[in-house]
Amino acid sequence: NAGVTQTPKFQVLKTGQSMTLQCAQDMNHNSMYWYRQDPGMGLRLIYYSASEGTTDKGEVPNGYNVSRLNKREFSLRLESAAPSQTSVYFCASSEGKGSQPQHFGDGTRLSIL
Amino acid sequence: LAKTTQPISMDSYEGQEVNITCSHNNIATNDYITWYQQFPSQGPRFIIQGYKTKVTNEVASLFIPADRKSSTLSLPRVSLSDTAVYYCLVGDEFGGYQKVTFGTGTKLQVIP
Repeated sequence: NAGVTQTPKFQVLKTGQSMTLQCAQDMNHNSMYWYRQDPGMGLRLIYYSASEGTTDKGEVPNGYNVSRLNKREFSLRLESAAPSQTSVYFCASSEGKGSQPQHFGDGTRLSIL
Repeated sequence: LAKTTQPISMDSYEGQEVNITCSHNNIATNDYITWYQQFPSQGPRFIIQGYKTKVTNEVASLFIPADRKSSTLSLPRVSLSDTAVYYCLVGDEFGGYQKVTFGTGTKLQVIP
């Protein structure tokens, strides 16, 4: 049982390039999330998807787009990468919303030069 | 939005019990309290969740007083492998996701 799988694990981009981070979960969870974590900081919610077919903005959505492709997959796209988006990105899933325990992937470390 | 306040860091010797307290003065009636653990280069991992009084599992205990304005995560007899960042979250299972926010957490360093 893989849980939450994120790809790629590492990526270096140049400013202005675009990229899609992939996330898949095999726990049949309804809700999925994307967070970013900057050095020495907590996690900040970028976007979330309460259920298949719905997405909503979190705390820091600017510069990102998401797609809930199906119940298993939730992707995060950077259309024009900026150095300020250098961070570690975590995907998570949960059975429901709110306080339901979230299961996290191991993250994608993204550097933008 | 119910925010939380935790100590930034704590040190403990191996074998000791560690108590990390989280303050959440604005907790709402429907809010649950959840704790996560994060090791370097990994995503957070769910530890324990509670609503009131005491909850215990194989990893930790969670103590919540009657007014629910704070909670204490208790780790019995810590080992070096318990060195991690611990996050306290307050969220409403019926509410929006925006209510569930990660703060900066408490960095626990276990000393040999």
